[in-house]
Amino acid sequence: EIVMTQSPATLSVSPGERATLSCRASQSVSSNLAWYQQKPGQAPRLLIYGASTRATGIPARFSGSGSGTEFTLTISSLQSEDFAVYYCQQYNNWYTFGQGTKLEIK
Amino acid sequence: QVQLVQSGAEVKKPGASVKVSCKASGYTFTSYYMHWVRQAPGQGLEWMGIINPSDGSTSYAQKFQGRVTMTRDTSTSTVYMELSSLRSADTAVYYCARVGVSSGYSDYWGQGTLVTVSS
Repeated sequence: EIVMTQSPATLSVSPGERATLSCRASQSVSSNLAWYQQKPGQAPRLLIYGASTRATGIPARFSGSGSGTEFTLTISSLQSEDFAVYYCQQYNNWYTFGQGTKLEIK
Repeated sequence: QVQLVQSGAEVKKPGASVKVSCKASGYTFTSYYMHWVRQAPGQGLEWMGIINPSDGSTSYAQKFQGRVTMTRDTSTSTVYMELSSLRSADTAVYYCARVGVSSGYSDYWGQGTLVTVSS
């Protein structure tokens, strides 16, 4: 099973600043990597697929990069609605999720 | 618009089974696979398995092999997930999530169904 490791577990950032979230795979997943946002009491929402393609309706402040085993989700200027938990998911070899990064207001 | 509407919350006793439904609308049901993913209270997302609504073929995570069964009814555009031999650790929100045929990520998710296992 491919293990996905996200860091940090919690990230404290002020509104308007940039947030950088990391996701590492235990073996190469090529570009078969997605990012989701989840707010309390809600289902996850797809942000990024193919490591760097924004899903429909996702603002341009969200960007994804990386391939192989190292991936990054960047939120360029944090808005109040961006504070949530973020998960990465690989779909190269079956499907596994990272444990999540909680993005909180500093 | 694409919608996945799941059945309501369930409370079950240890050892029982639960069957959760997910009714799809707004797209061609047989053109998209469906994942089932669960989330224990305060925990992360856990993939359980996938079903192809076109032919009913399934693949399950090894952890759930022998305890989970995923089925579909094309006449009602509904997929089902049944989990047996329930224990307290199965208390979680269960989600269905649509998958593109040639991809693995999920672009639409159901609202989730809370299953509580308690004696």
